[in-house]
Amino acid sequence: ETGVTQSPTHLIKTRGQQVTLRCSSQSGHNTVSWYQQALGQGPQFIFQYYREEENGRGNFPPRFSGLQFPNYSSELNVNALELDDSALYLCASRDRGSAGYTFGSGTRLTVV
Amino acid sequence: GQNIDQPTEMTATEGAIVQINCTYQTSGFNGLFWYQQHAGEAPTFLSYNVLDGLEEKGRFSSFLSRSKGYSYLLLKELQMKDSASYLCAVRDLYNQGGKLIFGQGTELSVKP
Repeated sequence: ETGVTQSPTHLIKTRGQQVTLRCSSQSGHNTVSWYQQALGQGPQFIFQYYREEENGRGNFPPRFSGLQFPNYSSELNVNALELDDSALYLCASRDRGSAGYTFGSGTRLTVV
Repeated sequence: GQNIDQPTEMTATEGAIVQINCTYQTSGFNGLFWYQQHAGEAPTFLSYNVLDGLEEKGRFSSFLSRSKGYSYLLLKELQMKDSASYLCAVRDLYNQGGKLIFGQGTELSVKP
């Protein structure tokens, strides 16, 4: 299987709710990163996982959490959603020997 | 601090050449990436520079000067489909697991 797939593509949630976004990476891609991209801005780093352990985190509060699974899939969980969490959430993965990251097409989250 | 600057918008004519500049200041450096992103889609990889100099790939070339903290993306023989956002990103190896730090993106409009 090739490429990085994310689900769902679009999601609408109410302020205060919780959301789980999913990403399926290419086989062998044991590094996965999550980014938040607000409209008209570049992606902002949320966190990164390597072999199921978080090994880097950006300036996001603890209500943003993640998991990576042995089958190269991962999740981004956001609790207590706020209106400012409305954005495109991107998953990117790579294998250890590669410098380049492959991005998924993202999940567009709208918080109302 | 960490900062990546690129112009917000550029306009060019079909068939022409355009250069998109990027300057960066990061605490660690392990390569500079250029991505293309069409509206509502995933960023797609264009180029990667880790050593000084020019990398050419078809109509696209990318240049890096590490001493100046400067890169540019050169697009030749512009086509209408090149209208997109172009993201400059630096890989910061020594902090947070090698995250990508993105600029805000340059929105390129190609006109007939």
